[in-house]
Order: sequence, then C-alpha cells, then structure tokens
Amino acid sequence: QKEVEQDPGPLSVPEGAIVSLNCTYSNSAFQYFMWYRQYSRKGPELLMYTYSSGNKEDGRFTAQVDKSSKYISLFIRDSQPSDSATYLCAMSAGSGYSTLTFGKGTMLLVSP
Amino acid sequence: SAVISQKPSRDICQRGTSLTIQCQVDSQVTMMFWYRQQPGQSLTLIATANQGSEATYESGFVIDKFPISRPNLTFSTLTVSNMSPEDSSIYLCSFSGQGGQETQYFGPGTRLLVL
Repeated sequence: QKEVEQDPGPLSVPEGAIVSLNCTYSNSAFQYFMWYRQYSRKGPELLMYTYSSGNKEDGRFTAQVDKSSKYISLFIRDSQPSDSATYLCAMSAGSGYSTLTFGKGTMLLVSP
Repeated sequence: SAVISQKPSRDICQRGTSLTIQCQVDSQVTMMFWYRQQPGQSLTLIATANQGSEATYESGFVIDKFPISRPNLTFSTLTVSNMSPEDSSIYLCSFSGQGGQETQYFGPGTRLLVL
C-alpha cells in the first residue's frame, strides 16, 4: 500500500460545478497537509495548508482533513476554466523542515 | 513571498554527459530541496540541501550520480551525472519556510530529455 493514494483522473466538470478532490494516506504520523496546484509546464504552487483535522477556507477553496479516516479533501466552488490543472496533495509528519510525501496528482479539466 | 527560479528551463542532452541545474531564491532560506517528477508519478525527493553541510540523500539516490552544492543561503545546484535516457524527467527545486516550516515553495522546474 502506497503512503498516499490519489486518483489521477482526469476529472472533467462543466464551469460552475463544485469539484471534490481527495487523498487517502496510511501513515498516522502525518499532521501537516497541503494542496498544490500545478499548471502544465510549471512548478507546483501552494494552494492550501492545514494542520491536523478540520476545515480551512480560502475564497473558492476549502481544505478538509479527517485524521480518523486518514482522508483529506479539497473542494473548489464555482469552478472556472482557469482551475484546469493537476492538483497534488502533500503531507508531512512533523515540524522543523520535515520532508513531504506527495500523491501522484489529479488532473482537473473545467470546460466552459 | 520569495521568488524562486531555475536554469535551464529545459535541455536535451546526450547519454553519458552531465547537466548542472541552478536554483536561485531571491531571499535567504534555510533548507532547499531537489525533486524529480516523472510522468504519472509522485514528486520524488532526491536530497535536502542545507547551507554549510553535505546534502542528505533519499534512498535510491547517491551523491556520485546527483552531486549537490549549496554555497550560500540563496543558491543551490544539482548535477545529473553520466546521464542515461532513464534520467529524462522534470527536476524541481524548492525551499521551506515563510508561513510554515512544513510548507515548501517550488521553482518552475527543468525539463530534461536524454537521448
């Protein structure tokens, strides 16, 4: 079993849809959770950062962490064609420059 | 937030040669990291570079193949040595901090094709 599992997609939705992206993980030591967005031929860009369980909202984006289920989600409301990208989840176990473990990424396509 | 750049952005190289990738941050950062991103795969950490000390390599990566320099707090290089087609990949550098030591901020990547 891989440490972090993420459906590669592609996930195709119409503009305006609510998008749900998910990752599951096996290492119960993970405490810090991140979502990155990566456009084609670009480096990953940090979108959301959360610690432990709970929700965090930033504009159209909501990150949700359920440590009891080892499951994290990223919701995108009112999706736009400019949201079309690959979304990578990442997580780490501790503070102090811990290494990150990444999912493979989910490709999202938002059609106008 | 700090701006991070990489050079070259892409290159095509012959097998057996070496390529050095440069990573520059516009402010001082403590930790820098080098990753490889192959199609359909997760980002894989190659090594962690701390200024003033030897880089720490992950399992499966060795210094002879991927020598790293970190001469100051804003700059690092990764060399891919004695390249083979299996080294064709995207190479990314990142740094941590600025809003959480656990977060990392990535450069634009270097796309390498080895023939």
